[in-house]
Amino acid sequence: DSGVTQTPKHLITATGQRVTLRCSPRSGDLSVYWYQQSLDQGLQFLIQYYNGEERAKGNILERFSAQQFPDLHSELNLSSLELGDSALYFCASSVEGTGGYEQYFGPGTRLTVT
Amino acid sequence: AQTVTQSQPEMSVQEAETVTLSCTYDTSESDYYLFWYKQPPSRQMILVIRQEAYKQQNATENRFSVNFQKAAKSFSLKISDSQLGDAAMYFCAYRLSGAGTYKYIFGTGTRLKVLA
Repeated sequence: DSGVTQTPKHLITATGQRVTLRCSPRSGDLSVYWYQQSLDQGLQFLIQYYNGEERAKGNILERFSAQQFPDLHSELNLSSLELGDSALYFCASSVEGTGGYEQYFGPGTRLTVT
Repeated sequence: AQTVTQSQPEMSVQEAETVTLSCTYDTSESDYYLFWYKQPPSRQMILVIRQEAYKQQNATENRFSVNFQKAAKSFSLKISDSQLGDAAMYFCAYRLSGAGTYKYIFGTGTRLKVLA
């Protein structure tokens, strides 16, 4: 158990819909990262937050957005869903700085768009 | 721009044997961290080992060790006494030092098969 929690574990929805994925980082970790992994593919970095502020963006579509709240949990919002958005979405957290830079991953949310 | 290259899409090893997975990276920076992550069929991402660039000593975690060659920008993972549970996708990753500032760069992964 990495200490990072993600809900829900599985999500099945229809095209055109909107969903919200939730992530709670490990206690003390200030950074949260979101990744997308399609079947048999590598990790695609989406976005990073550090202590409530957006710090880096990757290949995140305009239909996707995220935020990190004062209690440091984060949400990834996916809207106008398409079949190609079906993937495993990971959240990872890291304490960073003198505490180290290891990223710890949650179990992922498996999104299926039908 | 920093890049991470894993040139072996797939590797096989006999149970109890040793295997080495390759990773090279490109950077002009001197203060960074390198990681190996394992993704078994469950698809959970698990940290295997980390290496700080400022440390000359190679990191070791039980049966897992790295060969870190800073000048050559090489960071290979050696798995000794391979076990069936080691079968997984392995990702190499790089990150610059600096809190909340930089993203992680991942390689494309190497799929390791362990043969009984």
